[in-house]
Amino acid sequence: DVKVTQSSRYLVKRTGEKVFLECVQDMDHENMFWYRQDPGLGLRLIYFSYDVKMKEKGDIPEGYSVSREKKERFSLILESASTNQTSMYLCASSSITGANVLTFGAGSRLTVL
Amino acid sequence: AQRVTQPEKLLSVFKGAPVELKCNYSYSGSPELFWYVQYSRQRLQLLLRHISRESIKGFTADLNKGETSFHLKKPFAQEEDSAMYYCALKKPGGSYIPTFGRGTSLIVHP
Repeated sequence: DVKVTQSSRYLVKRTGEKVFLECVQDMDHENMFWYRQDPGLGLRLIYFSYDVKMKEKGDIPEGYSVSREKKERFSLILESASTNQTSMYLCASSSITGANVLTFGAGSRLTVL
Repeated sequence: AQRVTQPEKLLSVFKGAPVELKCNYSYSGSPELFWYVQYSRQRLQLLLRHISRESIKGFTADLNKGETSFHLKKPFAQEEDSAMYYCALKKPGGSYIPTFGRGTSLIVHP
């Protein structure tokens, strides 16, 4: 019963390429998140969306943008990938009535060469 | 701004030993606190939250407002407890964004 699906489990891209990471949730959650997960640095929030077309910058938004055209889908875009964006990217969602618990996707491991 | 500190990057214990994963926070109000866990090759998931006051997989965590701590404890560690553990804090009120600690990797040796 997968509830948060990230389209790509592993990606390898070259420096300067545009990268799209897609995330879909089937729980009708209002909130969606994109995090970076790096060893020793924990989870760092890139962007947050609380509604369609609404977004807020997180702790490390530089080099990233997001799109939320439909409630169930939240996309992370790297306009021009750089090697320091090599990381594990986690998508999550939560309901405003759901005790603030996040449901995470399986993650997308991006390598930028 | 609120902050969550997990002072240990790595905690290594033997099976059957007690385990305590530390979590300290800085926030002056009454936050909501959570522990999330990520087992090898699995997705990050909620382990427990302080508001539920429940025990999950033998783990408990008590919110100590005086010490601003929310340590995760288990009296007898099992090998299957080996995982990455993250403490998280959410301010009460309108913000839906939790703040995560940097995580502690727990290794339970046979």
